[in-house]
Amino acid sequence: AQSVTQLDSQVPVFEEAPVELRCNYSSSVSVYLFWYVQYPNQGLQLLLKYLSGSTLVKGINGFEAEFNKSQTSFHLRKPSVHISDTAEYFCAVRTMYSGGGADGLTFGKGTHLIIQP
Amino acid sequence: SQTIHQWPATLVQPVGSPLSLECTVEGTSNPNLYWYRQAAGRGLQLLFYSVGIGQISSEVPQNLSASRPQDRQFILSSKKLLLSDSGFYLCAWSGPGAGEAFFGQGTRLTVV
Repeated sequence: AQSVTQLDSQVPVFEEAPVELRCNYSSSVSVYLFWYVQYPNQGLQLLLKYLSGSTLVKGINGFEAEFNKSQTSFHLRKPSVHISDTAEYFCAVRTMYSGGGADGLTFGKGTHLIIQP
Repeated sequence: SQTIHQWPATLVQPVGSPLSLECTVEGTSNPNLYWYRQAAGRGLQLLFYSVGIGQISSEVPQNLSASRPQDRQFILSSKKLLLSDSGFYLCAWSGPGAGEAFFGQGTRLTVV
């Protein structure tokens, strides 16, 4: 079974400063990787995903993430944050199966990004 | 384009009452469907997973059940709610293969 660890439950950052949200995963097989954002009382919106190819993935709202297989990490970064980035961020993995199928997403516990003016 | 609808948005139910949350997907066929529960500070927990009509996988033992009576309809139910069933319930769908899951807007359930 796979698991996802988001080391920081809360990250306060000043507006226009850079931010990195950490995500590590554990799996005995290859995985697909995702970052989602959740605004209060709403569903989850996909920020970006890594399926294959380039390990640096760019997403919406200026976010990017880098897949590091040796460190089993998929950290999310943004060079300059805005007040509107205040939200909960979730890292998720999905297991690849040799037959081409995939299982449900496994999520981390989330990181609350707090942007301070 | 594909859309997912989940209702109601909020629900307050007494302990011991039944529950029925509905989720429908439009614009795609044979989706994988999921029910997640989000408790405060605890991330998302996968409750049920369905790859087709009548096919339900339960990820955790609990007071809830799920059904998929039609290809694009997924229902979360309980015969008797417990206080511990309170939470934010999210329905999601994904296509075949490696794609991401797409989420509904969620239902805030409060059991009193």
